Amino acid sequence: AQRVTQPEKLLSVFKGAPVELKCNYSYSGSPELFWYVQYSRQRLQLLLRHISRESIKGFTADLNKGETSFHLKKPFAQEEDSAMYYCALMVTGTASKLTFGTGTRLQVTL
Amino acid sequence: NAGVTQTPKFQVLKTGQSMTLQCAQDMNHEYMSWYRQDPGMGLRLIHYSVGAGITDQGEVPNGYNVSRSTTEDFPLRLLSAAPSQTSVYFCASSRGQPSNQPQHFGDGTRLSIL
Repeated sequence: AQRVTQPEKLLSVFKGAPVELKCNYSYSGSPELFWYVQYSRQRLQLLLRHISRESIKGFTADLNKGETSFHLKKPFAQEEDSAMYYCALMVTGTASKLTFGTGTRLQVTL
Repeated sequence: NAGVTQTPKFQVLKTGQSMTLQCAQDMNHEYMSWYRQDPGMGLRLIHYSVGAGITDQGEVPNGYNVSRSTTEDFPLRLLSAAPSQTSVYFCASSRGQPSNQPQHFGDGTRLSIL
């Protein structure tokens, strides 16, 4: 079965510092990967997906099939980036079943 | 535009009681799903539906029933509540497959089983 691992429960960085939220997955085929974010007192929402190859709020994520990783990166952290981040995987052809990681809380401090 | 609405927000049950968690969306989304979130476990898919009249099991379906009689509503029923079902429950919907369309989540229902 597929699995998503986010090794860090909490990542604390200073404002302006680079951010990298780690996500590793286990699946032998070609997965689709996503990052979801939950800001304080807000609902969980989609941040970005690898298929779009987009940058949202300065965040990017590259799928590395060799390392089975999909790390989320931002060159300069902002206070408003503080939130809970979830990596999620969907196996193509599985009728829309998303598998989530356990989440990483990003704390950006001054 | 309310999006995805979950009721109640909080509930305490005794072991053995039954209960229905309500989920409604006003976006005419075809796909709806239920997740539970437990500490250290992330979100786990309970049941999902790709359209009215169609439901299927997710990762952790035991102890839960669902139905999808309308596009708007996707209730989750606990037949006989157990302490292991203490969790935060999230309902989500999307216009199409989650691989193609973003999922919209509700605020969650915090459920405690004593």
